[in-house]
Amino acid sequence: RKEVEQDPGPFNVPEGATVAFNCTYSNSASQSFFWYRQDCRKEPKLLMSVYSSGNEDGRFTAQLNRASQYISLLIRDSKLSDSATYLCGGGFKTIFGAGTRLFVKA
Amino acid sequence: DTAVSQTPKYLVTQMGNDKSIKCEQNLGHDTMYWYKQDSKKFLKIMFSYNNKELIINETVPNRFSPKSPDKAHLNLHINSLELGDSAVYFCASRDGGNTIYFGEGSWLTVV
Repeated sequence: RKEVEQDPGPFNVPEGATVAFNCTYSNSASQSFFWYRQDCRKEPKLLMSVYSSGNEDGRFTAQLNRASQYISLLIRDSKLSDSATYLCGGGFKTIFGAGTRLFVKA
Repeated sequence: DTAVSQTPKYLVTQMGNDKSIKCEQNLGHDTMYWYKQDSKKFLKIMFSYNNKELIINETVPNRFSPKSPDKAHLNLHINSLELGDSAVYFCASRDGGNTIYFGEGSWLTVV
């Protein structure tokens, strides 16, 4: 089992939709988790850190479930500009999942 | 003011050649990384250095040799390049809160 796994998608959603991504991790000792966004031919950039208590930044909500060893990202009111690949990552080695592609259509 | 800068951005070279990619960060971070992203977009960690010391080596062929002359620099030298080495190589550094900051990537094409 890979240390970090996520559904590669792609997710095709209309503008205004709510979309959720999940990511599972295998190392229960992992402490720090993140969601990164990567645009085409660009480097990944931090979107949000993920905390057990959950954290929200505008239309984005991230959650960590330690008991089930998964992290989630919820995007509300999707915009065309949200189209990108979303990478979850974490752990001591900062391992990343394969990324989930999101396409938001008009 | 690019925080993590790497050069060259594009590199096309023939099989068998030796090439280097340089990386510098001006964030004052102690930990730096090299990641490889292949054509399937999977971002895989290769190496990590903490204050010039190698702390992670993820079963990378020994044709790849990282070098960290100081904690602000982490260079990657690749010997005897193979077609399968074609990928985007990202340098990164990590802050005290475990956030990773990536460079813009170096697109390596081996022909």
